[in-house]
Amino acid sequence: GENVEQHPSTLSVQEGDSAVIKCTYSDSASNYFPWYKQELGKGPQLIIDIRSNVGEKKDQRIAVTLNKTAKHFSLHITETQPEDSAVYFCAPHTGGFKTIFGAGTRLFVKA
Amino acid sequence: GAGVSQSPRYKVAKRGQDVALRCDPISGHVSLFWYQQALGQGPEFLTYFQNEAQLDKSGLPSDRFFAERPEGSVSTLKIQRTQQEDSAVYLCASSFGPPGNNEQFFGPGTRLTVL
Repeated sequence: GENVEQHPSTLSVQEGDSAVIKCTYSDSASNYFPWYKQELGKGPQLIIDIRSNVGEKKDQRIAVTLNKTAKHFSLHITETQPEDSAVYFCAPHTGGFKTIFGAGTRLFVKA
Repeated sequence: GAGVSQSPRYKVAKRGQDVALRCDPISGHVSLFWYQQALGQGPEFLTYFQNEAQLDKSGLPSDRFFAERPEGSVSTLKIQRTQQEDSAVYLCASSFGPPGNNEQFFGPGTRLTVL
């Protein structure tokens, strides 16, 4: 089955700095690569996703890059703000019905 | 609201009791997922429904866990004879199409505490 790892597990940045979270996966058949943000007491919410035929996607301060050869994809947040503080999960999808989430990265943005 | 709702939001059960957790997905969403999230961990897949059909239940931890979606909309996750290790947040998600290429919309979860 799919093995998913996220790094780092915790990330602390100063407001205005950039944050990068990396997700590695094992199944080369993975073809859908979403990132979810979870705030305290809420369910995860999709913030950006990418499909396997694209190498990079950007949405304002958030971007995702995909390296299919190396089997990893990364979340980039620029000009971080305190409201970006949350837990971020990757969930690469291979096919089938099961979704495997990474263990999460807790991001702290210090004002 | 138009989002996924779950009830109750909090449930405290004594060990050995049965519990039922409800999920109201977004209207018209074909896919429905249940996840278990332990403290400080990512959501762990439990089961998947496409309309009323339960197509994958490989993540259910034991035969004490049972899920249904009889009319293809509302779903219930039932846990019989609860144990302390069942304490977790149970998340429900729905999506318009099949898994793998569609955003999953999550409810706020039900926090289950088993004493």
